[in-house]
Amino acid sequence: SAVISQKPSRDICQRGTSLTIQCQVDSQVTMMFWYRQQPGQSLTLIATANQGSEATYESGFVIDKFPISRPNLTFSTLTVSNMSPEDSSIYLCSALLADTQYFGPGTRLTVL
Amino acid sequence: DAKTTQPPSMDCAEGRAANLPCNHSTISGNEYVYWYRQIHSQGPQYIIHGLKNNETNEMASLIITEDRKSSTLILPHATLRDTAVYYCIAPRYYNNNDMRFGAGTRLTVKP
Repeated sequence: SAVISQKPSRDICQRGTSLTIQCQVDSQVTMMFWYRQQPGQSLTLIATANQGSEATYESGFVIDKFPISRPNLTFSTLTVSNMSPEDSSIYLCSALLADTQYFGPGTRLTVL
Repeated sequence: DAKTTQPPSMDCAEGRAANLPCNHSTISGNEYVYWYRQIHSQGPQYIIHGLKNNETNEMASLIITEDRKSSTLILPHATLRDTAVYYCIAPRYYNNNDMRFGAGTRLTVKP
C-alpha cells in the first residue's frame, strides 16, 4: 500500500486569495489525482496529475482555477485560486499503486 | 465504468457480521469491483477489490455473484469503529484511475 500525507490539514482563507495544497507519497507512483468533497457530498474528481506533462481536468474544472504541479513521481500540489466561499470543501489527493488508489487524509478548506 | 447501486443506509449490531450489498448489473467482464470506506472527515480507506472470485483480507470479505451483477462486502465482526460510509465502485477496465464515487452506504454499528 501507499502512505500519503497532505499539507496543510486545514486552513481558513479569505475570499480572493489562493491556497496551495501539497501531497506527498511514500512510493514512486505514475498517477496521482485530486478530488473535492463538498459538505455532505461524495467525492468528485478534479484532475489527474501527470508527471512531466499537464494535468488532465474533468468537466467543470479548469486549470486557471485549479493549477496542478507534478514535479516528480512522489509529489504534487493543487492550488485553489481566487477563492470564494463556494470553494469551501475537503480536498483530497490520491495515488495509484498496483491498480489500487490510496488516499491522503484530506485538506479541509474554509473560505470566508 | 459500471453504475453501482447501494442502499443509502444500514444498521448493524456490534459484534455481528455487516453485509453490505452492491448492484452493478452493467459491469463488463474486465471491470473490477472496489470497496472503500470513509470514516467521518477522513480520506477514503481502501478495503478490498475483486474481479470474479471471492476475496478475503484482514479487513473484510468480498463475495461476487457468478454473473457478476452484484457483490456483498462482509465485515465479519463489526465494531463501533466500522461506522462509516462504504463505497462500491467499478472503474473501467485498465483505467482504474476512473474512480466515480456515488453516495455509498452509511453503515452505523450500534452497541
